[in-house]
Formats: sequence, structure tokens, C-alpha cells
Amino acid sequence: EVQLLESGGGLVQPGGSLRLSCAASGFSFTGYAMSWVRQAPGKGLEWVSAISGSGGTTYYADSVKGRFTISRDYSKNTLYLQMNSLRAGDTAVYFCAKDRREWNDGGLDYWGQGTLVTVSS
Amino acid sequence: QSALTQPASVSGSPGQSITISCTGTSSDVGGYNYVSWYQRHPGKAPKLMIYDVSYRPSGVSSRFSASKSGNTASLTISGLQAEDEADYYCSSHTSTTTVVFGGGTKLTVL
Repeated sequence: EVQLLESGGGLVQPGGSLRLSCAASGFSFTGYAMSWVRQAPGKGLEWVSAISGSGGTTYYADSVKGRFTISRDYSKNTLYLQMNSLRAGDTAVYFCAKDRREWNDGGLDYWGQGTLVTVSS
Repeated sequence: QSALTQPASVSGSPGQSITISCTGTSSDVGGYNYVSWYQRHPGKAPKLMIYDVSYRPSGVSSRFSASKSGNTASLTISGLQAEDEADYYCSSHTSTTTVVFGGGTKLTVL
């Protein structure tokens, strides 16, 4: 059974940093791209970032490029999202999701339950 | 990358069919056969309902179907049931190798 468990959310001040983790199990971690998607309060889903199955290619939304870094640790089957220079507009529930393919085509077939990030002073 | 355009809400009675549209551009929906649809019930994780424009993952009811014409993709739900009431989102691969979601459509089963 595929399981994705996010952690690392919390309250952070504007300008601060946070690292989200997503522990994956139940599938071959190397074979699939992984993504982060967020949903701000009262808003729709927003794709944030993705990383290829090999880890060699990363993708970012313009809204986070240069501030967020996605990575994956194959020894721990864990996906990460390092978030720096956080802004109020980054406040959202962040979901980790598994792609159907090795590369980022947007077909996300398994999702975690999400972790809440609140950016506020 | 601008969000894909979906109607804010649609509604239908049990047993009826409804269609949700998702309009993009030739740089996303119109340019690739990588349109997906997701169902999201409140407080739950999104669920993949359709991938690659019109394919259903295992376990998704055949009442859900989808297609694409030009820059617009569509999701049709036939034989509406109360459990179908949820938010629905489309997404597409883009020419800049990113992914873009639609704004979401709230489906109300009357």
C-alpha cells in the first residue's frame, strides 16, 4: 500500500525558513517523480515543485523559484521541500504527491494528508 | 503561468449528468495530452480521477469520463450520486515543464 506522510509544518515568521519532509513507502521510490502541491485557505490547489524519479531534474512554480528547493533522499525514501524567505502568501496546507511517471507530467496518483504551514508574525 | 479556467460551481440532481470545463492555452491543455482531473472532499486528500486526458485509474467509477478539444478539457460525471459532491480540479503539463491547476469547481448534488 502506497503511503505518503508529510511532516515539518508549523508557524514561522515572515522571512523565516522551514523544511517539509514526506516519508514514502509502498512503491519503488526511484521510479517516480514526486511533487509538492499547496492549498492556501479558501483557495484552490497550486502546484509548487516537482523532482524527477532520478532526482536529476527539478521543477518550480514561478511563485517559489529561487526561494524553495526540492530534494529527495533515496536511502530514507523521503522527499523534502526547503522553504526560505517565507511570505504570508506561502501560508497553506502543503501536500506531497507521487507522480504516475518518472518525470513530471502532473498525473499525481497518490497524495499525503498534508501539513499546514503558517507564515505570520 | 496562469491558472486554467474552470467554472466556480456546477450543480445537478441525482441521476443526471454534468460536465465541468477546463480552459487553458496551446502552451498547456492544447499542447499536451497530459490533462488530469482530481476530486477533493473537504478535509481529505485530492484523488486522481482522470489522467492523460481520458484515462481512469483503477478503482475509479466508469461514471467519470473526460475528453479534450483544442484548449479545453472536459470532465463528465454521469448518473450523479450524493457522494460525488466535492471540489474538482483539472491540471495540465505546460510548455515550461511545470504543472498548472485550474481554479477548482464546486459540484453540488441537489
